[in-house]
Amino acid sequence: DAGVIQSPRHEVTEMGQEVTLRCKPISGHNSLFWYRQTMMRGLELLIYFNNNVPIDDSGMPEDRFSAKMPNASFSTLKIQPSEPRDSAVYFCASRSGAGANVLTFGAGSRLTVL
Amino acid sequence: AQKITQTQPGMFVQEKEAVTLDCTYDTSDQSYGLFWYKQPSSGEMIFLIYQGSYDEQNATEGRYSLNFQKARKSANLVISASQLGDSAMYFCAMREPTEGSARQLTFGSGTQLTVLP
Repeated sequence: DAGVIQSPRHEVTEMGQEVTLRCKPISGHNSLFWYRQTMMRGLELLIYFNNNVPIDDSGMPEDRFSAKMPNASFSTLKIQPSEPRDSAVYFCASRSGAGANVLTFGAGSRLTVL
Repeated sequence: AQKITQTQPGMFVQEKEAVTLDCTYDTSDQSYGLFWYKQPSSGEMIFLIYQGSYDEQNATEGRYSLNFQKARKSANLVISASQLGDSAMYFCAMREPTEGSARQLTFGSGTQLTVLP
């Protein structure tokens, strides 16, 4: 299995631009999580999906952030418009159902907003 | 309130020695899970070990063991026979039951471990 695949690995953009981060979970996993990691705030859960349905988006910082999961094999996290304080590493993670515990993380997408 | 506390921002250990990374947690639930993840400088998050709250035995995975003390709400990670490749950031995390079927992980602030040759 290829694991959780995230793209792009690195993104540098200018303030005000739209950013789209992508994630392909492990096949068969039915829960998907987006985390953000910064030096100041550590790892924060932004949103998670169960069977493609958003369960809790209370961690999404503000309306500039949105996430979708149109099917079981693809999710996006979009920031529009981006701001310098959005600079962080964004992780996607997935987990199988049926009582499974372990989250498998992708390699992360490092976003820099100038 | 902080749910996961890692009090050691940085730790040093001599190669081949054992090291303990501290983690305390706070929950009122009876059913929960505790995890340790490793984040090397390359950035990926690597799962190391899991302990369920009802597990009576301490979890072990190779050179990793979890010293689970339920009454003290601590879940320390012990790495035996440290190797240079163990140098990384280590995160403790807890899963608590939440509404619905999905269960979230809450992470501590991490401990940066450096293994000295």
